[in-house]
Amino acid sequence: DAKTTQPNSMESNEEEPVHLPCNHSTISGTDYIHWYRQLPSQGPEYVIHGLTSNVNNRMASLAIAEDRKSSTLILHRATLRDAAVYYCILVSLGQNFVFGPGTRLSVLP
Amino acid sequence: EAQVTQNPRYLITVTGKKLTVTCSQNMNHEYMSWYRQDPGLGLRQIYYSMNVEVTDKGDVPEGYKVSRKEKRNFPLILESPSPNQTSLYFCASRPLQGQFNYGYTFGSGTRLTVV
Repeated sequence: DAKTTQPNSMESNEEEPVHLPCNHSTISGTDYIHWYRQLPSQGPEYVIHGLTSNVNNRMASLAIAEDRKSSTLILHRATLRDAAVYYCILVSLGQNFVFGPGTRLSVLP
Repeated sequence: EAQVTQNPRYLITVTGKKLTVTCSQNMNHEYMSWYRQDPGLGLRQIYYSMNVEVTDKGDVPEGYKVSRKEKRNFPLILESPSPNQTSLYFCASRPLQGQFNYGYTFGSGTRLTVV
Protein backbone atom coordinates (compact mmCIF):
# COMPACT_ATOMS: atom_id res chain seq x y z
CA ASP A 1 0.00 0.00 0.00
CA ALA A 2 1.24 3.45 -0.85
CA LYS A 3 2.12 5.44 2.22
CA THR A 4 1.29 8.94 3.37
CA THR A 5 3.16 11.16 5.79
CA GLN A 6 1.42 13.79 7.91
CA PRO A 7 2.56 15.95 10.82
CA ASN A 8 1.58 14.48 14.17
CA SER A 9 -0.15 17.63 15.34
CA MET A 10 -1.04 21.17 14.34
CA GLU A 11 -2.61 24.14 16.02
CA SER A 12 -4.84 26.81 14.63
CA ASN A 13 -6.70 29.81 15.91
CA GLU A 14 -10.44 29.92 15.62
CA GLU A 15 -11.80 31.57 12.45
CA GLU A 16 -8.44 31.37 10.71
CA PRO A 17 -7.68 29.14 7.71
CA VAL A 18 -5.92 25.85 8.33
CA HIS A 19 -3.69 24.06 5.84
CA LEU A 20 -3.12 20.39 6.66
CA PRO A 21 -0.31 18.88 4.57
CA CYS A 22 0.11 15.33 3.38
CA ASN A 23 3.07 13.84 1.54
CA HIS A 24 2.59 10.82 -0.70
CA SER A 25 5.72 10.65 -2.80
CA THR A 26 5.11 7.03 -3.89
CA ILE A 27 1.61 7.68 -5.20
CA SER A 28 0.69 5.80 -8.36
CA GLY A 29 -1.32 7.09 -11.26
CA THR A 30 -4.49 5.30 -10.16
CA ASP A 31 -4.41 6.32 -6.49
CA TYR A 32 -7.13 8.62 -5.26
CA ILE A 33 -6.40 10.91 -2.32
CA HIS A 34 -9.03 10.72 0.41
CA TRP A 35 -9.30 12.74 3.60
CA TYR A 36 -11.20 11.73 6.70
CA ARG A 37 -11.48 13.25 10.14
CA GLN A 38 -12.30 11.76 13.51
CA LEU A 39 -13.91 13.95 16.11
CA PRO A 40 -13.48 12.97 19.77
CA SER A 41 -15.53 9.90 20.70
CA GLN A 42 -16.83 9.44 17.16
CA GLY A 43 -16.12 7.29 14.14
CA PRO A 44 -14.11 8.68 11.24
CA GLU A 45 -16.00 10.92 8.86
CA TYR A 46 -15.37 11.37 5.15
CA VAL A 47 -14.24 14.90 4.28
CA ILE A 48 -13.16 15.07 0.65
CA HIS A 49 -11.28 13.23 -2.08
CA GLY A 50 -9.59 13.93 -5.40
CA LEU A 51 -7.42 12.49 -8.14
CA THR A 52 -5.59 15.28 -9.95
CA SER A 53 -7.61 18.49 -9.82
CA ASN A 54 -8.31 20.64 -6.81
CA VAL A 55 -11.67 19.93 -5.21
CA ASN A 56 -14.08 21.94 -3.09
CA ASN A 57 -17.06 20.90 -1.03
CA ARG A 58 -19.05 22.36 1.84
CA MET A 59 -16.58 21.05 4.41
CA ALA A 60 -13.18 21.82 2.90
CA SER A 61 -10.97 22.24 -0.14
CA LEU A 62 -8.34 19.84 -1.39
CA ALA A 63 -5.31 21.19 -3.19
CA ILE A 64 -3.27 18.58 -5.06
CA ALA A 65 0.27 19.31 -6.22
CA GLU A 66 0.91 19.13 -9.92
CA ASP A 67 3.18 16.09 -9.51
CA ARG A 68 0.61 14.58 -7.08
CA LYS A 69 3.30 13.82 -4.52
CA SER A 70 1.64 15.99 -1.94
CA SER A 71 -1.74 17.46 -1.12
CA THR A 72 -3.20 19.95 1.33
CA LEU A 73 -6.55 19.93 3.04
CA ILE A 74 -7.78 23.45 3.57
CA LEU A 75 -10.32 24.43 6.19
CA HIS A 76 -11.23 27.98 5.29
CA ARG A 77 -12.33 29.15 8.72
CA ALA A 78 -11.53 26.81 11.57
CA THR A 79 -14.08 26.44 14.32
CA LEU A 80 -13.78 24.69 17.66
CA ARG A 81 -15.82 21.84 16.16
CA ASP A 82 -13.04 21.21 13.63
CA ALA A 83 -10.71 19.96 16.36
CA ALA A 84 -10.12 16.36 15.33
CA VAL A 85 -7.63 13.88 13.94
CA TYR A 86 -7.34 14.26 10.17
CA TYR A 87 -6.32 11.29 8.04
CA CYS A 88 -4.94 11.44 4.52
CA ILE A 89 -5.09 8.08 2.74
CA LEU A 90 -4.48 6.75 -0.75
CA VAL A 91 -7.12 4.55 -2.32
CA SER A 92 -6.67 2.41 -5.39
CA LEU A 93 -8.52 -0.39 -7.11
CA GLY A 94 -8.43 -3.63 -5.18
CA GLN A 95 -6.72 -2.09 -2.20
CA ASN A 96 -8.25 -1.50 1.17
CA PHE A 97 -8.19 1.83 2.93
CA VAL A 98 -5.16 2.06 5.22
CA PHE A 99 -5.40 4.68 7.94
CA GLY A 100 -2.15 6.08 9.33
CA PRO A 101 -1.82 8.02 12.61
CA GLY A 102 -3.12 11.24 11.05
CA THR A 103 -2.71 14.85 12.22
CA ARG A 104 -4.28 15.95 15.47
CA LEU A 105 -5.64 19.46 14.92
CA SER A 106 -6.20 21.70 17.92
CA VAL A 107 -8.26 24.85 17.47
CA LEU A 108 -7.63 27.62 19.96
CA PRO A 109 -10.41 30.08 20.84
CA GLU B 1 -31.05 9.18 7.50
CA ALA B 2 -28.22 7.27 5.87
CA GLN B 3 -26.23 5.59 8.57
CA VAL B 4 -24.26 2.66 9.90
CA THR B 5 -25.62 1.40 13.20
CA GLN B 6 -23.52 -0.58 15.64
CA ASN B 7 -24.66 -2.25 18.83
CA PRO B 8 -23.83 -2.20 21.61
CA ARG B 9 -21.95 1.08 22.13
CA TYR B 10 -20.25 -0.25 25.25
CA LEU B 11 -19.63 -3.82 26.36
CA ILE B 12 -17.73 -5.34 29.25
CA THR B 13 -17.32 -9.08 29.15
CA VAL B 14 -15.21 -11.85 30.60
CA THR B 15 -12.52 -13.87 28.91
CA GLY B 16 -13.90 -16.74 26.86
CA LYS B 17 -17.53 -15.67 26.74
CA LYS B 18 -18.69 -15.54 23.14
CA LEU B 19 -20.06 -12.23 21.95
CA THR B 20 -21.40 -10.60 18.80
CA VAL B 21 -21.25 -6.96 17.82
CA THR B 22 -23.90 -6.11 15.28
CA CYS B 23 -23.55 -3.73 12.35
CA SER B 24 -26.30 -2.64 9.99
CA GLN B 25 -26.35 -0.10 7.16
CA ASN B 26 -29.35 1.36 5.32
CA MET B 27 -27.57 2.64 2.21
CA ASN B 28 -27.56 -0.57 0.14
CA HIS B 29 -23.76 -0.56 0.16
CA GLU B 30 -21.98 -3.62 -1.15
CA TYR B 31 -18.75 -3.14 0.79
CA MET B 32 -18.62 -3.44 4.57
CA SER B 33 -15.65 -3.58 6.89
CA TRP B 34 -14.64 -3.86 10.54
CA TYR B 35 -11.80 -1.88 12.09
CA ARG B 36 -10.32 -1.77 15.54
CA GLN B 37 -8.66 1.31 16.95
CA ASP B 38 -6.00 1.18 19.63
CA PRO B 39 -3.87 4.00 21.06
CA GLY B 40 -0.68 4.40 19.07
CA LEU B 41 -1.74 1.83 16.47
CA GLY B 42 -4.44 3.74 14.64
CA LEU B 43 -7.24 2.05 12.72
CA ARG B 44 -6.56 -1.51 11.62
CA GLN B 45 -8.83 -3.53 9.42
CA ILE B 46 -10.11 -6.84 10.81
CA TYR B 47 -12.36 -8.24 8.09
CA TYR B 48 -14.17 -6.92 5.07
CA SER B 49 -16.94 -8.05 2.77
CA MET B 50 -17.45 -7.07 -0.85
CA ASN B 51 -20.97 -8.45 -1.00
CA VAL B 52 -23.31 -11.08 0.42
CA GLU B 53 -21.50 -14.32 1.25
CA VAL B 54 -18.13 -12.77 0.25
CA THR B 55 -15.78 -12.03 3.13
CA ASP B 56 -12.02 -11.74 3.48
CA LYS B 57 -9.39 -11.12 6.11
CA GLY B 58 -7.95 -7.73 6.78
CA ASP B 59 -4.74 -6.98 8.61
CA VAL B 60 -5.66 -8.32 12.07
CA PRO B 61 -8.25 -11.12 11.69
CA GLU B 62 -7.02 -13.49 14.41
CA GLY B 63 -9.66 -14.18 17.05
CA TYR B 64 -12.54 -12.78 15.01
CA LYS B 65 -15.21 -14.13 12.70
CA VAL B 66 -17.70 -12.39 10.46
CA SER B 67 -20.65 -13.34 8.31
CA ARG B 68 -22.57 -11.59 5.54
CA LYS B 69 -25.86 -13.35 5.02
CA GLU B 70 -27.74 -10.17 4.14
CA LYS B 71 -26.49 -7.08 2.37
CA ARG B 72 -27.33 -4.72 5.20
CA ASN B 73 -25.82 -6.69 8.12
CA PHE B 74 -22.21 -7.55 8.93
CA PRO B 75 -21.83 -8.88 12.49
CA LEU B 76 -18.46 -9.28 14.18
CA ILE B 77 -18.14 -12.41 16.29
CA LEU B 78 -15.61 -13.05 19.03
CA GLU B 79 -15.86 -16.76 19.79
CA SER B 80 -13.54 -16.67 22.79
CA PRO B 81 -12.64 -13.09 23.67
CA SER B 82 -9.30 -12.36 25.33
CA PRO B 83 -8.05 -9.20 27.07
CA ASN B 84 -5.93 -8.23 24.03
CA GLN B 85 -9.18 -7.75 22.14
CA THR B 86 -10.09 -4.86 24.41
CA SER B 87 -10.42 -2.06 21.91
CA LEU B 88 -12.67 0.43 20.13
CA TYR B 89 -14.38 -1.18 17.14
CA PHE B 90 -15.82 0.52 14.09
CA CYS B 91 -17.99 -0.84 11.33
CA ALA B 92 -17.98 0.98 7.99
CA SER B 93 -19.61 0.67 4.61
CA ARG B 94 -19.29 2.14 1.14
CA PRO B 95 -20.57 1.47 -2.36
CA LEU B 96 -18.45 -0.80 -4.50
CA GLN B 97 -19.49 0.52 -7.88
CA GLY B 98 -17.86 3.87 -8.51
CA GLN B 99 -16.00 3.19 -5.30
CA PHE B 100 -13.52 6.00 -5.63
CA ASN B 101 -16.26 8.58 -5.81
CA TYR B 102 -17.63 7.66 -2.42
CA GLY B 103 -16.03 7.54 0.95
CA TYR B 104 -16.70 5.27 3.85
CA THR B 105 -19.59 5.82 6.24
CA PHE B 106 -18.55 4.76 9.73
CA GLY B 107 -20.63 3.69 12.68
CA SER B 108 -20.32 5.38 16.07
CA GLY B 109 -18.13 2.65 17.50
CA THR B 110 -18.30 -0.10 20.11
CA ARG B 111 -15.99 0.11 23.09
CA LEU B 112 -15.24 -3.44 24.19
CA THR B 113 -13.51 -4.37 27.42
CA VAL B 114 -12.53 -7.98 28.07
CA VAL B 115 -11.57 -8.76 31.66
